[in-house]
Amino acid sequence: EPEVTQTPSHQVTQMGQEVILRCVPISNHLYFYWYRQILGQKVEFLVSFYNNEISEKSEIFDDQFSVERPDGSNFTLKIRSTKLEDSAMYFCASRSQGGEAQHFGDGTRLSIL
Amino acid sequence: GESVGLHLPTLSVQEGDNSIINCAYSNSASDYFIWYKQESGKGPQFIIDIRSNMDKRQGQRVTVLLNKTVKHLSLQIAATQPGDSAVYFCAENGVDSSYKLIFGSGTRLLVRP
Repeated sequence: EPEVTQTPSHQVTQMGQEVILRCVPISNHLYFYWYRQILGQKVEFLVSFYNNEISEKSEIFDDQFSVERPDGSNFTLKIRSTKLEDSAMYFCASRSQGGEAQHFGDGTRLSIL
Repeated sequence: GESVGLHLPTLSVQEGDNSIINCAYSNSASDYFIWYKQESGKGPQFIIDIRSNMDKRQGQRVTVLLNKTVKHLSLQIAATQPGDSAVYFCAENGVDSSYKLIFGSGTRLLVRP
């Protein structure tokens, strides 16, 4: 069964450094999403992406965040200057044109020191 | 504002019994709902979904019930197995164009052998 894959599984970064989280969505999907989950809390929406542009973003997704689909398979989330409070699990999700259910990867655990 | 919440943070059931996990939502305009299962160290895994024009939908050992009058959603798991132990999230798929997911805070299901 096709799945969303995310790399790395764990990223440790010094505060103030840039980090790029990578995702390979399911191949025929057209809608892409990033969510985050702070330890012990619920999953929160960050951004949605369709047709090579952001379609919606949350208040969390400030100027330090950006997303990109550099080629036909990858979808990345960049945090320009990380803060301690950026420590969380980051999940990528995708869905197809006709389907509504989003399918999630297993996440990247981001730890900011 | 939009919110999706859960009544019970932890549910403990005997193996073989049926489980019922509840969820309340506040946005009466929501037209699509999803249940996800999240195991430790994994991303949310799609279980079952339901549109607002339906009251009930059945899958393999799972049933989702939707009561739009009281804005309540439930997930029933028949003959609960140890492998069902996980955190279960309901999510509301917004009516905006991006179809972002709004997650509840989760219920932990513990299955006693």
